[in-house]
Amino acid sequence: DIQMTQSPSSVSASVGDRVTITCRASQGISSWLAWYQQKPGKAPKFLVYDASSLQSGVPSRFSGSGSGTDFTLTISSLQPEDFATYYCQEAHSFPLTFGQGTRLEIK
Amino acid sequence: EVQLVESGGGLVQPGGSLRLSCAASGLTFSSFWMSWVRQAPGKGLEWVANIKEDESEKYYVDSVKGRFTISRDNAKNSLYLQMSSLRAEDTAVYYCATLSQARYFDYWGQGTLVTVSS
Repeated sequence: DIQMTQSPSSVSASVGDRVTITCRASQGISSWLAWYQQKPGKAPKFLVYDASSLQSGVPSRFSGSGSGTDFTLTISSLQPEDFATYYCQEAHSFPLTFGQGTRLEIK
Repeated sequence: EVQLVESGGGLVQPGGSLRLSCAASGLTFSSFWMSWVRQAPGKGLEWVANIKEDESEKYYVDSVKGRFTISRDNAKNSLYLQMSSLRAEDTAVYYCATLSQARYFDYWGQGTLVTVSS
């Protein structure tokens, strides 16, 4: 099974800050990676696919990059609605696995 | 608008059974792979099972193999998860989700809580 490791586990930031979250796969997954946003008590929301493509309707302040084993999700200028938990997910092979999550908190 | 609505969660004793349902609308249900993903309280996301459009392929995470069965009824636009021999570690919110051809979970339901406890 492919293990997905996110860092940091949590981060505090202010509105307007630039934030980068990292996801590392235990083996190469090409660009088969997605990012999701989850707010408390809500279902995850699909943000990014194929490592760097934004899902329809996702603001352009979100961007994804990487390939192989190392990936990043960057939010260029944090907005109040961006404070949430973010998960990466590999789509290379079954079982499909998620990172443990990165909690983005207001400083 | 795609809507996925789960139901059937609740409190069940260890060793018991439960059947979850997911009603889909706003999409051509019979054209989508479907999945169940769960989230234990305060924990991360865990993929549970997938089913192909015509039920010809099904996949499960190791921890539920032999205990859970995923199925669907395309005529009713519905997805199911039959869960048996339930354990405390199966306690979670269970989400129904569509699975794209590239294996991404693009649409999600609101989830249904399953609690396994005596």
